[in-house]
Amino acid sequence: QSALTQTASVSGSPGQSITISCTGTSSDVGGYNYVSWYQQHPGKAPKLMIFDVSNRPSGVSTRFSGSKSGNTASLTISGLQAEDEADYYCSSYTGSGTRVFGGGTKLTVL
Amino acid sequence: QVQLQESGPGLVKPSGTLSLTCGVSGDSISGSNWWSWVRQSPGKGLEWIGEIYHIGSTNYNPSLKSRVTISLDKSKNQFSLKLTSVTAADTAVYYCARVGSVSGAYFDYWGQGTLVTVSS
Repeated sequence: QSALTQTASVSGSPGQSITISCTGTSSDVGGYNYVSWYQQHPGKAPKLMIFDVSNRPSGVSTRFSGSKSGNTASLTISGLQAEDEADYYCSSYTGSGTRVFGGGTKLTVL
Repeated sequence: QVQLQESGPGLVKPSGTLSLTCGVSGDSISGSNWWSWVRQSPGKGLEWIGEIYHIGSTNYNPSLKSRVTISLDKSKNQFSLKLTSVTAADTAVYYCARVGSVSGAYFDYWGQGTLVTVSS
């Protein structure tokens, strides 16, 4: 069970849009519509931002959206704000009741 | 509001057993959710450890399976993690989390995390 692959870092200016990718295999990301995304600020617990590829939990800004194509899932943040600066992790169900996370992407708001 | 709170020793000796408990409020662990443990080594990413359902069914990360046991205490509405034969590589912040019930494929509530250091 290998970790999903995420770009180590991404940056953008306030107001811009950025996309974070998460690449897996047909055994995880590509095999199920069960990708979720988490935001983690330093010293804090992760927070669910997107579940089941593209669903937003209640209370999460509509600036956050998710999608998937083949073995790669993506998280897009539009209208970037300073408070969005954080680490972002993807996760996927892998079958047989197991789950895997990505290595994380550090988002810097310039 | 669902809340989870980890508790347990912050320091464990090498080759010893790490034991943590997650107290749950605002929801019953006897309901329709799975309950999970996730850890994060210092400066590193998240690693799923395993999970448990109220009937006692468990799933574990294959890389940790031989050393991990997750159990339930329904009377106290809490679940626990035991990790045996620990080494410095097991030093991490340990989180407990609820698995969301829409698809059972995401973590919707998290504890604040507790740092466990493995050192003599």
